[in-house]
Amino acid sequence: GAVVSQHPSRVICKSGTSVKIECRSLDFQATTMFWYRQFPKKSLMLMATSNEGSKATYEQGVEKDKFLINHASLTLSTLTVTSAHPEDSSFYICSASLSSGSTDTQYFGPGTRLTVL
Amino acid sequence: EDQVTQSPEALRLQEGESSSLNCSYTVSGLRGLFWYRQDPGKGPEFLFTLYSAGEEKEKERLKATLTKKESFLHITAPKPEDSATYLCAVQARVRSGAGSYQLTFGKGTKLSVIP
Repeated sequence: GAVVSQHPSRVICKSGTSVKIECRSLDFQATTMFWYRQFPKKSLMLMATSNEGSKATYEQGVEKDKFLINHASLTLSTLTVTSAHPEDSSFYICSASLSSGSTDTQYFGPGTRLTVL
Repeated sequence: EDQVTQSPEALRLQEGESSSLNCSYTVSGLRGLFWYRQDPGKGPEFLFTLYSAGEEKEKERLKATLTKKESFLHITAPKPEDSATYLCAVQARVRSGAGSYQLTFGKGTKLSVIP
């Protein structure tokens, strides 16, 4: 149980194009999903919190116009990297929060490796 | 500000050589302490949640313990397949500005188990 998928797993794009990454909770509903970025040999950096049916909340320093987040349903959140540049190349990971009583556990997707040429 | 410090950064063990990973934390009211395992090029995999000092949880060769200031992940008789980066994260009782319970992660301990 508590499976989260991400698609695509890898994407290579040209500078200036946009890329959409999907995050799905397969066997539970998630009111809240999170988007992280991870640099090589570094820990996870929270980019934004995505709440179903409302606007995402971005962490300080994250450009909301560059990283568009949509959480249209209780099982799907999308991250669109707009006008991508080489510095946007990174490993992007989503998580979905499963609430049970007084516990909120984040289950992570397998990640998406983005390379911008 | 919540902080999590993991040590050591890297640990090499011979197969069967037991050891412990440390996670020290400061948090404004602990709601939960989480352990995850991350393999290269993959997302973190949930292992345990600990809620209060004195609590212990086990899964196969892993045992997690919690005090008021730190958590330990004990690995008993590790196997090569236990090689991974182990991440510790804390969740505070106070919701974030986004209205959610966020995780604050440590930088992880990279464990290598040599056959």
